[in-house]
Formats: sequence, structure tokens, C-alpha cells
Amino acid sequence: GQQVMQIPQYQHVQEGEDFTTYCNSSTTLSNIQWYKQRPGGHPVFLIQLVKSGEVKKQKRLTFQFGEAKKNSSLHITATQTTDVGTYFCAGSRSGYSTLTFGKGTMLLVSP
Amino acid sequence: GAVVSQHPSWVICKSGTSVKIECRSLDFQATTMFWYRQFPKQSLMLMATSNEGSKATYEQGVEKDKFLINHASLTLSTLTVTSAHPEDSSFYICSAPRRLAGPSTDTQYFGPGTRLTVL
Repeated sequence: GQQVMQIPQYQHVQEGEDFTTYCNSSTTLSNIQWYKQRPGGHPVFLIQLVKSGEVKKQKRLTFQFGEAKKNSSLHITATQTTDVGTYFCAGSRSGYSTLTFGKGTMLLVSP
Repeated sequence: GAVVSQHPSWVICKSGTSVKIECRSLDFQATTMFWYRQFPKQSLMLMATSNEGSKATYEQGVEKDKFLINHASLTLSTLTVTSAHPEDSSFYICSAPRRLAGPSTDTQYFGPGTRLTVL
């Protein structure tokens, strides 16, 4: 079945440093979504990428979808303590099929 | 924006009892809802897809007789954990997809989750 791998599992950075998490799918995806889950909270939708090679930005967050639509990345510039949480990617093979989640990357930011 | 609610937010029960968790889409209709389970420091694992008006679709390894799903209306799905055991203790999260204008894909809106502890 479809597998979505995400690395690293955990990263601890100093406030102001950059952070990147990578997501790779075993199959070509229709779209990929990114979610953030704060400790004790539930996943919150961040963004969705649909087009091959697509790059989207949200303030300090940059999301990228690979040309082959099998990989994606989330890059945070100049991290802040409010960025703490676990970032999940989730992919689907068609627009309306179930999502397969990566294992997530837990980000810890020290002031 | 779209909101999905879950009730209860947490529950503690004795081993052998049953627990019902409700998932509601508050401002949109959802013919499909998803139920996930998340163990501490792990990712979300899809348990089943709840379908309004038909039987739920369970993922491999999930016992349908233990995790009863009922999609009673276009805004309500329930998950009942029957004869709960300590190993069923987990964070149960539902989500409902909403088709936004523009991209031909769904966006998942997650409920706040229900933390189940079975003693």
C-alpha cells in the first residue's frame, strides 16, 4: 500500500535557526497536505499542494511539491518558540481518497 | 471557517465497558468522516472511513466488531469502543473533508480529539 515517509523524526533548534522537514511517498500523489499539531492538541491544516513543482509560502513557512509529485518539504525560516509542535505531511493518490500520514517531525525550539 | 467538534474531549472508563465518541461537522455537511487513532508521540493511524447511509470501511487490522461506527446523519458520526481494554487507551480523532472551491481536492478538518483511558 501507499507509504509516506517523513524525516527527521525530531529536531531541536535554537530560536532564529532554520528548520526543514522532508516527506517522501512510495507512489505518485495527487496532492499533499501539511498539518501542525501542538502538544496536546489536534492536527491543524496548514496548506495543500497540488501542482508538480509547486512552491507556496506562508510568512516564514515555505512549502514545496516535487516535480514527480512524490516528495515535499516544509521549510521554516528563523524559527520562533511558537513554531513548536509536530508537523505532519499527508498525501492522497486522488483528490478525494483517504489521506496517508507521515510519522511527523517533532520540532522543539529553544529560546 | 469549518469546524468539527468531538464529544467527549476525554473519558476514563473501566475495562469491559463501552464508550461512545461523537464527531460533528458544525457548519458543513460531510457524507464521509474519518476516524484516526494516535498513540503518544506517534502519527495518526486511519482506523476507518465512516460513510453516511452505508457501512463503514475499516482499515486492515481494525476490528469492526470492536470499533462500531455509525454515520447517523450528514453532520454526525459516532465511534463506539466496545468492551474496552487498557490497550485501547489512546487519542481518537475524527476528521471531515470539505470540498473547497478551486482545487479539486478535499481539505480535512480535524476534531479536537478524545482522549480515552481504560483502567
